[in-house]
Amino acid sequence: QVQLVESGGGLVKPGGSLRLSCAASGFSFSDYYMTWIRQAPGKGLEWISYISSSSTFTDYADSVKGRFTISRDNAKNSLYLQMNSLRAEDTAVYYCASHGGTNYYYGADVWGQGTTVTVSS
Amino acid sequence: EIVLTQSPGTLSLSPGERATLSCRASQSVSSTYLVWYQQKPGQAPRLLIFGSSRRATGIPDRFSGGGSGTDFTLTISRLEPEDFAVYYCQQFGSSLWTFGQGTKVEIK
Repeated sequence: QVQLVESGGGLVKPGGSLRLSCAASGFSFSDYYMTWIRQAPGKGLEWISYISSSSTFTDYADSVKGRFTISRDNAKNSLYLQMNSLRAEDTAVYYCASHGGTNYYYGADVWGQGTTVTVSS
Repeated sequence: EIVLTQSPGTLSLSPGERATLSCRASQSVSSTYLVWYQQKPGQAPRLLIFGSSRRATGIPDRFSGGGSGTDFTLTISRLEPEDFAVYYCQQFGSSLWTFGQGTKVEIK
């Protein structure tokens, strides 16, 4: 079935790094834009980054620009988020999502279950 | 960056009532680029509406969306018990794809 599974979350000290992965199955991963979205405890959704189907286009929220890098490997049906210089305010559940419609602006219609990142000393 | 402001923050209603949620953008957004999600506790969000008014696959017709420019609306015609949740709007009208802060629809 159509599925996204995130991994790589955990506890990291301020200033540290973490790499999140998102494994896709059941759909044509290489055809679609992918995004990372996070949700701090008790807070709303925050869009972090997107990447186009062939990695040509990427962008980042100002809160993570210069610290986080999104990438994908279409041969492995996988999406990644390299997070450097982590701060306490990066503590959140991180979701990957696929924009599986005809165009990316049709919205994120497939979501993973999320992986938790905690930044604390 | 386009800022989306949702109102009200919380909507207290009874099952069977009509819910009207607002999403206001800091600058004009094409209706093509506005979507709505529903999120229940402990779950990932679910896409409800895209193109401001088109229901996603499997979404019941009690959910409808509308609006243009800077003002968009999500309406739930008759609330079912499973509709009590938090609702978010998101825009794709700029390269930074922002969310609104959410509206919680709670049981009165």
